[in-house]
Amino acid sequence: DVKVTQSSRYLVKRTGEKVFLECVQDMDHENMFWYRQDPGLGLRLIYFSYDVKMKEKGDIPEGYSVSREKKERFSLILESASTNQTSMYLCASSPGTGGYSNQPQHFGDGTRLSIL
Amino acid sequence: AQKVTQAQTEISVVEKEDVTLDCVYETRDTTYYLFWYKQPPSGELVFLIRRNSFDEQNEISGRYSWNFQKSTSSFNFTITASQVVDSAVYFCALSEGLSSASKIIFGSGTRLSIRP
Repeated sequence: DVKVTQSSRYLVKRTGEKVFLECVQDMDHENMFWYRQDPGLGLRLIYFSYDVKMKEKGDIPEGYSVSREKKERFSLILESASTNQTSMYLCASSPGTGGYSNQPQHFGDGTRLSIL
Repeated sequence: AQKVTQAQTEISVVEKEDVTLDCVYETRDTTYYLFWYKQPPSGELVFLIRRNSFDEQNEISGRYSWNFQKSTSSFNFTITASQVVDSAVYFCALSEGLSSASKIIFGSGTRLSIRP
């Protein structure tokens, strides 16, 4: 079974802090994703990565950055946390077969982040 | 542009009733994939099904069935003889194109409550 592990289930930080959310997957997947989930808005893609050191902006990248130094780890960074970044953050991974696949994404349990 | 609409925000039924969750999508591509995910209270999104745009066959898996109709751009999900364990938020999603890292666009979700 694919396992996507997010470092924290709950996190409370203060406005202006630099926040790191970590995600690790154990299935050697090429693709990794960060989403935020807000009521009524579904899941919105922040950033994704299709290879080590590669990253692409999603729909709402402002205020965030990412890092992928190793294939299994994808970090989301809030450079200077603000209260409107209070949300549920979900990490996902999927295999990259190089052709047309659109394989299902496998999700972690989520991190509920509160910015005070 | 791609879009996924789940018009039903919340549905509540009594156990053993059948329930259908609606999903309508918009896309200009002829090649695309549709997904359903379940998010139980624990938070992790669980993949249920993927369907590509060339396969309009309906699918049944136990108490779950999916009705894909390209003519109406719909991919509806029916649970037969619902159970309390089916209570969750259900997301419909769409992915265009041929890349394995294609973005998935999620609907806003339908919260399903099954009352004993």
